[in-house]
Parts: sequence; C-alpha cells; structure tokens
Amino acid sequence: QQPVQSPQAVILREGEDAVINCSSSKALYSVHWYRQKHGEAPVFLMILLKGGEQKGHDKISASFNEKKQQSSLYLTASQLSYSGTYFCGTNTNAGKSTFGDGTTLTVKP
Amino acid sequence: DTGVSQDPRHKITKRGQNVTFRCDPISEHNRLYWYRQTLGQGPEFLTYFQNEAQLEKSRLLSDRFSAERPKGSFSTLEIQRTEQGDSAMYLCASSPLMLGSVYEQYFGPGTRLTVT
Repeated sequence: QQPVQSPQAVILREGEDAVINCSSSKALYSVHWYRQKHGEAPVFLMILLKGGEQKGHDKISASFNEKKQQSSLYLTASQLSYSGTYFCGTNTNAGKSTFGDGTTLTVKP
Repeated sequence: DTGVSQDPRHKITKRGQNVTFRCDPISEHNRLYWYRQTLGQGPEFLTYFQNEAQLEKSRLLSDRFSAERPKGSFSTLEIQRTEQGDSAMYLCASSPLMLGSVYEQYFGPGTRLTVT
C-alpha cells in the first residue's frame, strides 16, 4: 500500500525551515527520499533503514520511527535550489519500493 | 559512470500499436526497476529484476506489459496494443545490491509515452 505524504504542498521563503512527513500502514524495512524537479528524473537524497536512525546531508536530514512506521524529512534554512517535489519511497522488505504522491516545495526569494 | 540511460526519450504512438523502451542501468548494478509516473503522482512500481531474473511484477500490470533483462545488463519494456491510459512517463532505475540490504535507486531521464 502506498505511503501517505503530508503536507501535499508547502511554500517557503528562503532561509525558512520545512518538515515533510511520510506514513505507512505497514511495517517498514527502509525509507528513502528523493527530490524531483519539473521535467527531470527523481534524484536520491538519503535512505534510512529500520532502527530509528537519523541521517543528514548538508542542511537536509531525516528520521525514521520504525514503531510508528513514519519518516520525516527536515529541510533547514531552505535555499531556492530546494524547490521541487519530494517523494518518499518505502520498502517492507529488500524487494520493491512503493512511493508516495509527493510533496511540492516552493522556495521563494 | 554515465548514469542510467533510457531510449527513446519521447514516443508518440497510435492506439493499438506496440511500443518498446530500452533502459541501460549503471554498470554492475544488480537491480533494475521499471516505474510509471503520471502528472501529480509518485512513481508507480511496475516490475524489477535482480540480474536477469524478474523477481516481481505489479498485479496492476495487465498482460499487455512485458519486460526482459536477458543478460542482466540492459532491459526492455514492451507494451502491446497500447491504450490512451498508457500515456505516462516510464522511468527506469538501477541499484546496487548487497544481500539482504536495500540501496538507493538511480533514476534514468524517462521515456514519455503519448498514445493518440
């Protein structure tokens, strides 16, 4: 079953922070996050394996709460380049991935 | 490494025709995935391969869709008797694999199919 992302869209000013959530009704093995800009392919941001670890990449970090079957993506001090649609992909095992419908982030000057 | 490539980038076909898309993954990536994406939606899983073995195929996929990865390198996705509902972006992704682990997926630029 498809994970649910929230919010569907968010508009920020440069320098503001955002949180994007991803929830699943199934027990998760891993969660991965991608950013897709209009007309381009999704680009990998980070992957989190079960165990509740938190990862970071520059000013973008994520957490994974295995018990709640949720992951959150944190964007700190957003930049114009952060604009795009963010997808979470979930795995219930080491097989296929199921993606949410995305959260569209718009960063304005 | 040049990344995942897909060919063609765009395809316009008439309803009822067959189409075939090709994906060349990053070399030495064991896993290869096919997805379909429509406007405002996330990538929808179609099928995936581990080397040359097709391990799973979406139940949503009709028998008109078939995929192969004959030598564990490039893959083809064929759609027979296309319908207007098949119009979408078809994405291919590849991933390295360590036993029992999940790794990130690297997506190709996609093939945009328009069925008229």
